[in-house]
Amino acid sequence: DAGITQSPRHKVTETGTPVTLRCHQTENHRYMYWYRQDPGHGLRLIHYSYGVKDTDKGEVSDGYSVSRSKTEDFLLTLESATSSQTSVYFCAISESRSGNSPLHFGNGTRLTVT
Amino acid sequence: AQSVTQLGSHVSVSEGALVLLRCNYSSSVPPYLFWYVQYPNQGLQLLLKYTTGATLVKGINGFEAEFKKSETSFHLTKPSAHMSDAAEYFCAVSDRNGGFKTIFGAGTRLFVKA
Repeated sequence: DAGITQSPRHKVTETGTPVTLRCHQTENHRYMYWYRQDPGHGLRLIHYSYGVKDTDKGEVSDGYSVSRSKTEDFLLTLESATSSQTSVYFCAISESRSGNSPLHFGNGTRLTVT
Repeated sequence: AQSVTQLGSHVSVSEGALVLLRCNYSSSVPPYLFWYVQYPNQGLQLLLKYTTGATLVKGINGFEAEFKKSETSFHLTKPSAHMSDAAEYFCAVSDRNGGFKTIFGAGTRLFVKA
């Protein structure tokens, strides 16, 4: 299994508070991604990174920011959590940017915003 | 724009029966195609992928999928279901012109009855 650790695994927070989720990889892969999983929607890309300090937006980036100061760590921040951000968040990595390079996923963080 | 449609959010089969999970895609050029499996409280794992060449692709755990360009389909099959196959399955596509944006279907949950 790819060495991807997400923390925390579960979090409950209140509306309006900032929240940071962490993804740590030991594979030294350049490309990292944050997805959210919601019933009926599959997985949707929030942000991705193609190197240290190099990030870009995905299809559902509003209300989220990311940072990548080291190859192994990719942080997702909800600046002011809302109930619509209650979801399961997955970090993924890939070896190359080629479309045929599969994604390897962490075990997810279940976030509940009350 | 690319899109993926998985027919049936839930599929139920008896143990030993054929498993057929349907996936159709929409893309201006044939994309790279993937099937992922997700077990409870885990991230997604790659089952198989089609990039080029032989259109019948074999994956792990006895699953296979066939790319049919004329039907824009990539259905997943397994001849004989096992209880351990109960999980959620996601079809995904990725652009041949560059990575980063893998598009996932909404998922199909497979139930296996004893």
